[in-house]
Amino acid sequence: ILNVEQSPQSLHVQEGDSTNFTCSFPSSNFYALHWYRWETAKSPEALFVMTLNGDEKKKGRISATLNTKEGYSYLYIKGSQPEDSATYLCAPWEYGNKLVFGAGTILRVKS
Amino acid sequence: EAQVTQNPRYLITVTGKKLTVTCSQNMNHEYMSWYRQDPGLGLRQIYYSMNVEVTDKGDVPEGYKVSRKEKRNFPLILESPSPNQTSLYFCASSLWSGVTNEKLFFGSGTQLSVL
Repeated sequence: ILNVEQSPQSLHVQEGDSTNFTCSFPSSNFYALHWYRWETAKSPEALFVMTLNGDEKKKGRISATLNTKEGYSYLYIKGSQPEDSATYLCAPWEYGNKLVFGAGTILRVKS
Repeated sequence: EAQVTQNPRYLITVTGKKLTVTCSQNMNHEYMSWYRQDPGLGLRQIYYSMNVEVTDKGDVPEGYKVSRKEKRNFPLILESPSPNQTSLYFCASSLWSGVTNEKLFFGSGTQLSVL
């Protein structure tokens, strides 16, 4: 089973703070890296799918980078807002059709 | 509206009583998958399907069955549920061409309690 680590486990920030999370995964057999946002009482929703080393994706105030050679991805949120409060999941897709999810980083933004 | 429909939303049952959780998608997706989510753990894959009549085990398949007789439907079957299958379950689907990697669309989840 692919070992996917996300850090920190949880994060409490003030409105307006910028923050970032890390997703670490084995770099062998890598195919793609997914990021999802999961709000309480809802279903996970995709943020980004990245495949190439050095990829950078952006969606509003949220951006992500990918380093496939060393096996990590960063997710950044600029100027956090209360509506950003959610669990952020990363999931590398390895060859063999498996998407393996990390345990997630819980973000709470206080207004 | 493009969506993954999962039913029921909540289910309480007793040990040993067979149950089925239904999942249907209207996006003509080839790939479908079932996950369970438990506190402190990530979403763990139970079974997945690359296309009609093609299914394979995920990381935690014990105690579960699936079938993919039609492209749109991917039911999850618990033949003899046990309390350790109490969990939050998600069905998901994705467009999969064998080359490109596309995002997953998730159903609304099923909270299952086995007494």
